[in-house]
Amino acid sequence: DADVTQTPRNRITKTGKRIMLECSQTKGHDRMYWYRQDPGLGLRLIYYSFDVKDINKGEISDGYSVSRQAQAKFSLSLESAIPNQTALYFCATSDTDDTQYFGPGTRLTVL
Amino acid sequence: QKEVEQNSGPLSVPEGAIASLNCTYSDRGSQSFFWYRQYSGKSPELIMSIYSNGDKEDGRFTAQLNKASQYVSLLIRDSQPSDSATYLCAVNGRTGFQKLVFGTGTRLLVSP
Repeated sequence: DADVTQTPRNRITKTGKRIMLECSQTKGHDRMYWYRQDPGLGLRLIYYSFDVKDINKGEISDGYSVSRQAQAKFSLSLESAIPNQTALYFCATSDTDDTQYFGPGTRLTVL
Repeated sequence: QKEVEQNSGPLSVPEGAIASLNCTYSDRGSQSFFWYRQYSGKSPELIMSIYSNGDKEDGRFTAQLNKASQYVSLLIRDSQPSDSATYLCAVNGRTGFQKLVFGTGTRLLVSP
């Protein structure tokens, strides 16, 4: 089984809808991250969490919120989706070193 | 100036050749450096990490770090068509929380 899983893998939604992307990990890592990837822009950090009680904004947090329900679960929400949030979203985890391990990604399309 | 810069490519090499991928970074205090491989539509996969100046070899891959020049590279020997992917360079900051800054990647094409 994969160490980092994301659900759903693909999602098409409409402008204004609330969307939640979920991430679970079995690696036992404390640190979790949400990124989005757009062509030509690379990976950009949305939110990150050191542990259940520690959540921080990344470089592009506007329009997004997160919830760290447990050490193993970190969810990303789009409260009111807009078309420019169409992107590939990745969850990642890391241990006490810097190495990050990525989930398979969620392809989100906002119409 | 971008924090982490890579040539977008594509870098085209024939099968069996050495592919050389380069990355420069702006934070002189950076301590940790990573190379990830990403196939189209897939997630980034760690290839190498390097923390000290010099070379680090793992199979066909060699990472090279020169902190004085703020330069990190990845060499792929005996390139195979299956190496065709986008290679992302990632760099950590000097202290505190481990936030990686990613370059936009170099696309590598290995022709048979």
